[in-house]
Amino acid sequence: EVQLVETGGGLIQPGGSLRLSCAASGFTVSSNYMSWVRQAPGKGLEWVSVIYSGGSTYYADSVKGRFTISRDNSKNTLYLQMNSLRAEDTAVYYCARGRLGGYIDYWGQGTLVTVSS
Amino acid sequence: SYVLTQPPSVSVAPGQTARITCGGNNIGSKSVHWYQQKPGQAPVLVVYDDSDRPSGIPERFSGSNSGNTATLTISRVEAGDEADYYCQVWDSSSDHPNVFGTGTKVTVL
Repeated sequence: EVQLVETGGGLIQPGGSLRLSCAASGFTVSSNYMSWVRQAPGKGLEWVSVIYSGGSTYYADSVKGRFTISRDNSKNTLYLQMNSLRAEDTAVYYCARGRLGGYIDYWGQGTLVTVSS
Repeated sequence: SYVLTQPPSVSVAPGQTARITCGGNNIGSKSVHWYQQKPGQAPVLVVYDDSDRPSGIPERFSGSNSGNTATLTISRVEAGDEADYYCQVWDSSSDHPNVFGTGTKVTVL
């Protein structure tokens, strides 16, 4: 059974850093493209970042230069390192598995990141 | 970057048909995917590649895509279909490959 479990969210002050983790089971992270998608309170879905099976990474303009996506193949885990956090980064962050054609077939339960002083 | 526009809300009576549109420039040339999201839950894929349904999704959910508009159709709407719905496209050749629509709140009257 495919499962994605995010951890690492919480309350952080503006300018601070946080690392989200997404532990995967039932499949191999490095063989799939994996994304982070976020949703601000009461707002829609916003794609944040992707890492392809070959290792290429891409970011939304809103987080480029501040966030870094990575994976640990030995732990079958996806990460999102978030630096220089801003109030507008406050959101539920979802880890997601993408399939050929670009659709997401599995989502984690989400982890809430709140950036506030 | 590519923009997908959805109506903010759609209201429908039980048993009737709800149609949710997703507008984008020449979207008919892309594969469109649709997600259902209920309050406090992660999104769930309901249609992929314009009109295919994942296992477990009722046949009442169908999709089409042509020109500048993709459409998710929910037939014989039930109270449990009340949710937010998002369209999505993917362009693997882009450095911003994933785009979500603005989202539509479906209300069952």
